[in-house]
Amino acid sequence: DAGVTQSPTHLIKTRGQQVTLRCSPISGHKSVSWYQQVLGQGPQFIFQYYEKEERGRGNFPDRFSARQFPNYSSELNVNALLLGDSALYLCASSVDGNQPQHFGDGTRLSIL
Amino acid sequence: SQQGEEDPQALSIQEGENATMNCSYKTSINNLQWYRQNSGRGLVHLILIRSNEREKHSGRLRVTLDTSKKSSSLLITASRAADTASYFCATDGNDYKLSFGAGTTVTVRA
Repeated sequence: DAGVTQSPTHLIKTRGQQVTLRCSPISGHKSVSWYQQVLGQGPQFIFQYYEKEERGRGNFPDRFSARQFPNYSSELNVNALLLGDSALYLCASSVDGNQPQHFGDGTRLSIL
Repeated sequence: SQQGEEDPQALSIQEGENATMNCSYKTSINNLQWYRQNSGRGLVHLILIRSNEREKHSGRLRVTLDTSKKSSSLLITASRAADTASYFCATDGNDYKLSFGAGTTVTVRA
């Protein structure tokens, strides 16, 4: 079975732009979570969605938003990009939001 | 903010030696997990230990959990070059999110 897939793998944007990152969970998994990992640090929780509803939100500004589709795939949107948004964005899926979670390889976002 | 803190930050060992890393956390947990991350890749789940468990084994991995001290340890026995990676502990409470530490970078020398 395919694992969690994320697209694109790399992305370069400039300050002030907007970006959309995509995630397809493992088949049968209904929950998707998003994490931001800045270089040299551990991942930080951004959102969790389950059955298309937001279940949890981390300490991120309103510039960050997400949604989950009927097929359980998800998008993460970031508006008004800042240099500090440069990071690896990881998506994780699980059956129902409980543990363990299975991670994709991430999208590397660079802001110039 | 990070819930967990791993110690040491970096570890260099010879192939065949054991590697031990520790994790401390701040608040009560349901589970504690360890993940491995190879450079530039996603996280791979290694092992989950529940708050009512004290020790767990999986292949060459041994995890302990001491909830009274809010700490955990990960032991990798008979290390291999392929074990070179960053290792993260992650805790979860009642809010479904995982809280990660900053990780331990392990280098296994041939």
